[in-house]
Amino acid sequence: ETGVTQSPTHLIKTRGQQVTLRCSSQSGHNTVSWYQQALGQGPQFIFQYYREEENGRGNFPPRFSGLQFPNYSSELNVNALELDDSALYLCASSPRRSGGSETQYFGPGTRLLVL
Amino acid sequence: GQNIDQPTEMTATEGAIVQINCTYQTSGFNGLFWYQQHAGEAPTFLSYNVLDGLEEKGRFSSFLSRSKGYSYLPLKELQMKDSASYLCAVRDVPAAGNKLTFGGGTRVLVKP
Repeated sequence: ETGVTQSPTHLIKTRGQQVTLRCSSQSGHNTVSWYQQALGQGPQFIFQYYREEENGRGNFPPRFSGLQFPNYSSELNVNALELDDSALYLCASSPRRSGGSETQYFGPGTRLLVL
Repeated sequence: GQNIDQPTEMTATEGAIVQINCTYQTSGFNGLFWYQQHAGEAPTFLSYNVLDGLEEKGRFSSFLSRSKGYSYLPLKELQMKDSASYLCAVRDVPAAGNKLTFGGGTRVLVKP
């Protein structure tokens, strides 16, 4: 158990809909990163939030957006869902932005299926 | 660009040793991580290297050569519970946050 929680655990949506995924970071961690993991592949970086500001973004379109709240929890929003958005969405928290030897601690993920 | 390569699958026998290789070509480097991921679960941290050489950590040590863009994870005394995917990930420089770029993962199957 990493202390990172995500909700919901599973979700089914249809094409064109919108979805919000939630993440609570481990206590004391102020940085949250979101990753998309398609079946049989490694996670792909979506974006990172540090102290409520976006701090880096991967190759994802603007319909993927996020928020971080003062308590460092975070949301990932995806608009206009496409079939290819079906994946495991992982949230990871870390104690500070720049790293060092600290790893990122992953939550259990939200499995999204788009029909 | 970022490119990380790992073999897709390996099979080994319980009690044996298997070595998972990872090669990378990235625009920035601030450490390399290995994670274990069981099917349907979150990745869990195994090992970290930022300097060249072997980082000893029990059954999950890892080696890094920055000049060769190469790392390996030797899995020793394999147990059935070691059947999982092993992910190699490179962390970008501080100016880019601590973004991790992952390889596709190596699925290890341990047979009795």
